[in-house]
Amino acid sequence: SQKIEQNSEALNIQEGKTATLTCNYTNYSPAYLQWYRQDPGRGPVFLLLIRENEKEKRKERLKVTFDTTLKQSLFHITASQPADSATYLCALDWVFGAGTRLAVHP
Amino acid sequence: KAGVTQTPRYLIKTRGQQVTLSCSPISGHRSVSWYQQTPGQGLQFLFEYFSETQRNKGNFPGRFSGRQFSNSRSEMNVSTLELGDSALYLCASSGSSGGYGETQYFGPGTRLLVL
Repeated sequence: SQKIEQNSEALNIQEGKTATLTCNYTNYSPAYLQWYRQDPGRGPVFLLLIRENEKEKRKERLKVTFDTTLKQSLFHITASQPADSATYLCALDWVFGAGTRLAVHP
Repeated sequence: KAGVTQTPRYLIKTRGQQVTLSCSPISGHRSVSWYQQTPGQGLQFLFEYFSETQRNKGNFPGRFSGRQFSNSRSEMNVSTLELGDSALYLCASSGSSGGYGETQYFGPGTRLLVL
């Protein structure tokens, strides 16, 4: 069955550093992949969508890469801020990863 | 544009009861999806409705059902509640064209507690 894996351990980084989150998938040949942000007690919020023919996509301090050969997407937040602390989910269609919790410390 | 709204926001029920949750999508959106989120299982897909028809379904028992009305508003029903149904139920809308791969816009969720 289709499976998405994200690092279940929390990622702790210092303010100003680049956070890199990983999303791996199996049994899937997606045409696109999406990243969402979720704060405690709230619904996920869409951040970025990247299509299979796009190697990289950027939006402000966010960057997503998509390697269909490795079946992996990387999500980067540059110049991270404490306000970036949240859980980040990757998704293929209606299948979501468990998310990686990011904590940015001042 | 108003976002996705869900009612009620909080609900307490007892085992064996049934519950109905409501979702109003963003105006113009025709696709509504429902998810269950628990700390242990993460975000699990229940089903998706498009133009009043169930288009996709996750792996949940028949106790979980839904429907969509002509105005795209959707309801989800859970019958014979079990303790394990305690979760945050999220609704998401997408698509004015109904195509796959469209961004989903989530509501704030309904937190259900089954005692």
